[in-house]
Amino acid sequence: GAVVSQHPSRVICKSGTSVKIECRSLDFQATTMFWYRQFPKKSLMLMATSNEGSKATYEQGVEKDKFLINHASLTLSTLTVTSAHPEDSSFYICSARRPGTSGSYEQYFGPGTRLTVT
Amino acid sequence: SQQGEEDPQALSIQEGENATMNCSYKTSINNLQWYRQNSGRGLVHLILIRSNEREKHSGRLRVTLDTSKKSSSLLITASRAADTASYFCATAPNTDKLIFGTGTRLQVFP
Repeated sequence: GAVVSQHPSRVICKSGTSVKIECRSLDFQATTMFWYRQFPKKSLMLMATSNEGSKATYEQGVEKDKFLINHASLTLSTLTVTSAHPEDSSFYICSARRPGTSGSYEQYFGPGTRLTVT
Repeated sequence: SQQGEEDPQALSIQEGENATMNCSYKTSINNLQWYRQNSGRGLVHLILIRSNEREKHSGRLRVTLDTSKKSSSLLITASRAADTASYFCATAPNTDKLIFGTGTRLQVFP
């Protein structure tokens, strides 16, 4: 159990276009999902927290108008990179939070989406 | 930045040797977790240690936590070539989000 999928796994787009990345929790409901960005050989940087039915909470320095997040259902969150530029090229990873044992929460990560903007 | 630091940044060992990675963090935590990432892939959760725990084992993995020093270590015993990956610690200041360390790239040579 606790499988999270992302689609697409890879995408190449031209500068100025928008790209949508989907994150789905396949076998559990996730009221909260997270979006991370990872540069080559670097760590994951949290971009935003996506809450079902409400606006996402963005981390400092992340442009909310550029990275649109929609969490329309308990199993789906989407990240749209608007007017993409080459510097937006990166590996984007989502995770979904599920209650674990003893009141703690565990995050389950998707396989990631490699975005290349040309 | 709240991001934690890991050392070493890179580690190369032979199969059968033990690998030790260290993580230091900055804020108080609810728990600390270790993840593994194969190149170009998502993250796999390895182990979670709560702030009131000092040591935890899972198979060939041993994690220690010293909250007074704000540090943790991950030991992989009897390493295998398949253990080659990047390893990240992640702290949970609360139940809402994870803050990842800088990562250690482990290479295990057969």
